[in-house]
Amino acid sequence: GAGVSQSPSNKVTEKGKDVELRCDPISGHTALYWYRQSLGQGLEFLIYFQGNSAPDKSGLPSDRFSAERTGGSVSTLTIQRTQQEDSAVYLCASSLGGTGNQPQHFGDGTRLSIL
Amino acid sequence: GQQLNQSPQSMFIQEGEDVSMNCTSSSIFNTWLWYKQDPGEGPVLLIALYKAGELTSNGRLTAQFGITRKDSFLNISASIPSDVGIYFCAGQVGSSASKIIFGSGTRLSIRP
Repeated sequence: GAGVSQSPSNKVTEKGKDVELRCDPISGHTALYWYRQSLGQGLEFLIYFQGNSAPDKSGLPSDRFSAERTGGSVSTLTIQRTQQEDSAVYLCASSLGGTGNQPQHFGDGTRLSIL
Repeated sequence: GQQLNQSPQSMFIQEGEDVSMNCTSSSIFNTWLWYKQDPGEGPVLLIALYKAGELTSNGRLTAQFGITRKDSFLNISASIPSDVGIYFCAGQVGSSASKIIFGSGTRLSIRP
């Protein structure tokens, strides 16, 4: 499709396991963003990529969280040793570039539940 | 840090009524964005505002970028059932799109 694609759409895992979430941005979009949305809350910025590099990692909540992007396209967000407070919807967005006036387009998110 | 205060938190109105919601901040933003989110989906961009004082319409939706650059409002005229959802404002500082601050959302419910 033409939009941002995220997988899996739902993930249930046990506390302490590692999880990997995937984002396929819109073709040609060089900027990619990860957000976390807890139930009934707004969006919390996690990390941003311009190409394959991450100029702004300020939103990652702890060292259990990491993200990478390869080939200027697909990105993965990895959470190690998951905790129950990691349960949330993880949203990915992409935009044409890292400069201003480039609105972000969102995927439908991965709903992560930690038991 | 920068925060956006979005109000009201929720609205329950009659179909056909007009709706108004707003966001305010103590910080100046260079871009204001309004998104709508339906259950189980990601936010969808409704309107983007790039200039202080700018007033932009998208069908029944109208949004304005406040003169002080610290606030924005969104109006929906003649609401219909498909307007139900959560509306988010978002503000962007500077020339980089690296960080966009989101409001906490306005949940809109409509009585048919």
